Parts: sequence; C-alpha cells; structure tokens
Amino acid sequence: EADIYQTPRYLVIGTGKKITLECSQTMGHDKMYWYQQDPGMELHLIHYSYGVNSTEKGDLSSESTVSRIRTEHFPLTLESARPSHTSQYLCASRAGGGYGYTFGSGTRLTVV
Amino acid sequence: AQSVTQLDSQVPVFEEAPVELRCNYSSSVSVYLFWYVQYPNQGLQLLLKYTSAATLVKGINGFEAEFNKSQTSFHLRKPSVHISDTAEYFCAVSDRDKAAGNKLTFGGGTRVLVKP
Repeated sequence: EADIYQTPRYLVIGTGKKITLECSQTMGHDKMYWYQQDPGMELHLIHYSYGVNSTEKGDLSSESTVSRIRTEHFPLTLESARPSHTSQYLCASRAGGGYGYTFGSGTRLTVV
Repeated sequence: AQSVTQLDSQVPVFEEAPVELRCNYSSSVSVYLFWYVQYPNQGLQLLLKYTSAATLVKGINGFEAEFNKSQTSFHLRKPSVHISDTAEYFCAVSDRDKAAGNKLTFGGGTRVLVKP
C-alpha cells in the first residue's frame, strides 16, 4: 500500500499549457524529492525540499518550479509545457539518511 | 560528491538461473548504498540497503547484495530468477552527512530480462 501518492498517473497536454503534478505523502517525512526519468534511462534529481518553506534545485536544470507549504504536499508546476518536457516524473520522500527513499508511482507526462 | 556506475545496461538471463548485477560507486565520505527495482510504468521499490554492520545484505524477493569497501562495490545477486524479476534495477548511493542532505545519486540502471 503506497504511502506516497502522485496524480495524475498519465497526462497528455498541448504545448503552452500550465500544469501541476501533485505529490502527497502520509508518513510525515521532512525530505521530499522530484526526479525526472526518460524511458529506460537513469533518474535525475530536479528539485528537493528539507521541510516546509524549503525548496532547492537539483542536479538537472529544469524549467519547473516546486512549493512546500505543507509537510505532506510537494507539487511541481510547469508554467508553459513544451514537448521537451515529455518524461516520467517521480516523487519521493525520506525519513532519514539510512532509510532510503519511498517513491510514488510516477506521472508520465506527454506534451504534444 | 558521489557517483554510481552500473556496469551492465542489460542482462538477459534464463529462468531459474542465477543473476548478478554489478554496481561500483565513488565517494570521498562514508555512504549508504541501496538497490531499487522498477517494474514497467511504476515507481521505484526498495530491494535492500546497506547502512552499516553486516556486509552481506539480504533484501526482498530473494535478492542479496555484498558491500565491498576495498573495491567500492555493491553487487546484487539472486540465485534463481523468475519471470517476474524482469525489471529495471537501480543502484544508488547516499552520503552519511545530514548537512549534505542525504541526497541519493542513482546509477544508470540495469535492465534484467528473464527468458523462459
């Protein structure tokens, strides 16, 4: 049973649209992360948060933005989607260093 | 900073045969090590982790991994695979320094294809 939820699972949208990918966790984890993953490829960290009102950019430059107003919620927003944003986006949270990440099921985004 | 290299991008294996997935890491500090599995169109699921103590780590679904500090490796093994083990496997490393954020760095993944 997943403790971290991502919606939607699949999304097809037109170029120029604004979208928000939702991520919520019920475990009370302070640390949350967004990864971008192209099919069959490695994961790249695009955003992370250490807690409420904390957000940082990851290793891979991304045109998306994130917010962390509540501990359990870490949404990712694209103001103007482009075909180059087509990818899978994975959200994760973590209790502490030795615990590993808990991942959501991902959102597969296609921009046409 | 740390990095992870998974030496095999694809590993075909017959059902009931053993499999080994190789992972090497580099880091200037002590690390935690993890193996994740990703089934098609799914997120990642933790298979096992090395945090301290025993160098041989047992995980779910019959997988195990051995931490070798001198060789900076954390290879994953399973003595007998099933068709259901067909998936992508990711090795990951995290430093132990809380101040650095404990961010995970992933390897490029190894696709395991189990053949009947």
